[in-house]
Amino acid sequence: DGGITQSPKYLFRKEGQNVTLSCEQNLNHDAMYWYRQDPGQGLRLIYYSQIVNDFQKGDIAEGYSVSREKKESFPLTVTSAQKNPTAFYLCASSPTSGGWGIEQFFGPGTRLTVL
Amino acid sequence: AQSVTQLDSQVPVFEEAPVELRCNYSSSVSVYLFWYVQYPNQGLQLLLKYLSGSTLVKGINGFEAEFNKSQTSFHLRKPSVHISDTAEYFCAVTGGGNKLTFGTGTQLKVEL
Repeated sequence: DGGITQSPKYLFRKEGQNVTLSCEQNLNHDAMYWYRQDPGQGLRLIYYSQIVNDFQKGDIAEGYSVSREKKESFPLTVTSAQKNPTAFYLCASSPTSGGWGIEQFFGPGTRLTVL
Repeated sequence: AQSVTQLDSQVPVFEEAPVELRCNYSSSVSVYLFWYVQYPNQGLQLLLKYLSGSTLVKGINGFEAEFNKSQTSFHLRKPSVHISDTAEYFCAVTGGGNKLTFGTGTQLKVEL
């Protein structure tokens, strides 16, 4: 069954700790994305990658880091530099590279709570 | 640059009544438009998309949307809603070659 998996579904961390969110896709998509969702603010783009070993900052990249060593995987690290990390994080992928005109497919999300 | 405005943050409606969720966009280039649905604590699922061609687009679950270039709108409609349609709905736009920009979402609450 093709799709995008994110783990864990819920994550609790103490303030000041780095944490890594997993995103894996078996859709053979070139492009992958990380979004942050806060109530009433829609989705905001954190980072995106259109090809292995390359990624670009989105609108709110400060305090986050990513890697893209494999086509299937795009992990997101929330660092201690992120001022307000509690949020719902969504990973997505799309079959296009170099363009945005094709739909993005979303994973089920990870809810991160920093205590 | 592009932007999306969803005018209503919440829309309550009775079951079997029609509903319209409004979406307006701005862009300096030709656009592709999308509506996504999000059920509680889940990811987004594509309802429908407009890339080109007919301005009336039909999607899943009985939803449809009409692209109106002159009014820069892409409103989502359903003639008769069901309790299971209760969810948050997001409109999104891309200029093709630019990032996907999302609206702030409209919470549809279907009541018995």
